[in-house]
Amino acid sequence: DIQMTQSPSTLSASVGDRVTITCRASQSISSWLAWYQQKPGKAPKVLIYKASSLESGVPSRFSGSGSGTEFTLTISSLQPDDFATYYCQQYNTYSWTFGQGTKVEIK
Amino acid sequence: EVQVVESGGGLIQPGGSLRLSCAASGFTVSANYMSWVRQAPGKGLEWVSIIYSGSSTYYADAVKGRFTISRDNSKNTLFLQMNSLRAEDTAVYYCATGHFDSIVWGQGTLVTVSS
Repeated sequence: DIQMTQSPSTLSASVGDRVTITCRASQSISSWLAWYQQKPGKAPKVLIYKASSLESGVPSRFSGSGSGTEFTLTISSLQPDDFATYYCQQYNTYSWTFGQGTKVEIK
Repeated sequence: EVQVVESGGGLIQPGGSLRLSCAASGFTVSANYMSWVRQAPGKGLEWVSIIYSGSSTYYADAVKGRFTISRDNSKNTLFLQMNSLRAEDTAVYYCATGHFDSIVWGQGTLVTVSS
């Protein structure tokens, strides 16, 4: 199975900060990577698909980049609604795998 | 609009069986891949199973031999038959499907395995 290593596990930031989360795959997944935001008691929400495509309705402050094994989610200016847990997911193979999650907390 | 809605969760004793359903709208289940993902309380996301349009099925090692994924094309619905349930199967179960190059998720259904 492809392993997804996400970092950091926790991130403390302030409103207006630029935030970057990294995801590394144990082997190439081309661009088959999605990023999710999840809030307590809610389903994961797709932010980015195919590594860099912004899901419809998602604010443009979210962006994704990378291909192969290295990927990044960037929030250009953190907003109060962005404090949540973020996951990466590879869907290059039938056996989907997820990163461990990054909790973005208020500093 | 592409949408999936899960149902069938509940409280079940260890060793018991449960069948989850995922009703699809806005697309045809037989034409898409469809997957189940679960999330144990306070934990991360874990892939469970997938069925492709050609009917190939795959399972995570943790559920292989106990869970069966299937679909009813006439009802446009996906199922997950879960047998020999264990405490560690307690989780919210999500249904997900591909939509162009993205993924659409449902809101989940909670399965609690406890005596």
